[in-house]
Amino acid sequence: GAVVSQHPSRVICKSGTSVKIECRSLDFQATTMFWYRQFPKQSLMLMATSNEGSKATYEQGVEKDKFLINHASLTLSTLTVTSAHPEDSSFYICSASGGQGTEAFFGQGTRLTVV
Amino acid sequence: GENVEQHPSTLSVQEGDSAVIKCTYSDSASNYFPWYKQELGKGPQLIIDIRSNVGEKKDQRIAVTLNKTAKHFSLHITETQPEDSAVYFCAASTGYGQNFVFGPGTRLSVLP
Repeated sequence: GAVVSQHPSRVICKSGTSVKIECRSLDFQATTMFWYRQFPKQSLMLMATSNEGSKATYEQGVEKDKFLINHASLTLSTLTVTSAHPEDSSFYICSASGGQGTEAFFGQGTRLTVV
Repeated sequence: GENVEQHPSTLSVQEGDSAVIKCTYSDSASNYFPWYKQELGKGPQLIIDIRSNVGEKKDQRIAVTLNKTAKHFSLHITETQPEDSAVYFCAASTGYGQNFVFGPGTRLSVLP
């Protein structure tokens, strides 16, 4: 299958700082990228959907000003957690799709710990 | 919106036995059903998927069945091996490659 690379795999940051997570499709053009959040021993919960060149669509309850998503190119989307707090600590996972009719591939995830 | 349920939440089997995980969905418009395997600290990996125009699909030791009328689909793993131990998630989507709604997951343990 296609490769989606997520970076960093782990990050620890201080409370109040911002953290950027990158999601790259390495061998295909991702017209759509999805960002998920996963708490320990729980399922993946969709945070937002981003289409290249347009604003992300956020799920209900997800603060768009706190979780900034940029999808400026067909191979890169970024998630920035602004003014991070300990409750933002979680496993963040992206997936990328080439669009209708193609499957989505997941990155390896980013473990964020806010101290 | 779509709601996906998954059972059991945990499953232990002896090596060589079969494992079955079942999911139900609520949105009749869903037409794509992937299954993912997630190992600790890693992202989900697609192991098999099925579209709504197919009732069954098999790939070596793994098979998936779909009953659109009843809105349920199942993952079957035969001849289980210790390396099959992981958390398995089913998902449903209204568009191939579009947003998925995930089930809560099943932790499978294959005992040697």
